[in-house]
Amino acid sequence: GQQVMQIPQYQHVQEGEDFTTYCNSSTTLSNIQWYKQRPGGHPVFLIQLVKSGEVKKQKRLTFQFGEAKKNSSLHITATQTTDVGTYFCPAYGSSNTGKLIFGQGTTLQVKP
Amino acid sequence: DAGVTQSPTHLIKTRGQQVTLRCSPKSGHDTVSWYQQALGQGPQFIFQYYEEEERQRGNFPDRFSGHQFPNYSSELNVNALLLGDSALYLCASSPSGGGNIQYFGAGTRLSVL
Repeated sequence: GQQVMQIPQYQHVQEGEDFTTYCNSSTTLSNIQWYKQRPGGHPVFLIQLVKSGEVKKQKRLTFQFGEAKKNSSLHITATQTTDVGTYFCPAYGSSNTGKLIFGQGTTLQVKP
Repeated sequence: DAGVTQSPTHLIKTRGQQVTLRCSPKSGHDTVSWYQQALGQGPQFIFQYYEEEERQRGNFPDRFSGHQFPNYSSELNVNALLLGDSALYLCASSPSGGGNIQYFGAGTRLSVL
């Protein structure tokens, strides 16, 4: 099955600084999704990327899908304390029937 | 339009007991997946139900079983509880077909003493 490695595992930033997390796969992905889980909360879907080289923006968040569809990144501009949480980029199982394979994610802490 | 709902929100059991967790999917969704999330880890896939049958299963022992009802709601049963079963159990629903977005419920926090 597919597995996506995510780095860094933890990141502490000062409020207002930028933040980037990266996901890398050894195999080509049909698509990639990003989820955010706040402390004490549950994963919440952020976005899905499907096309090679795709870039999507949501306010201060920019998502990219690599040209080879093997990597993806999430960049947050001017972090705020509301950005605190763990960001996941799960891969789909080989049968692509909706089984999501989660890594440990990247946990972001923002110091006010 | 209600999202995914899970019950109970918290549960405390002792080793050896059995537990049943419940999930109602988002309206219009017919596929339900269950995940176990230990503290500090990402969710781990337990199994997925579609058309009242288990369609996929993760690397979990037979103590973990489930059921899906005609109204698409689902139950997760865990027998002979172990201390290591303490975790947040998440239910996610999605419409039928592969590669769809999954909507997670708030989870059930299970503590095994």
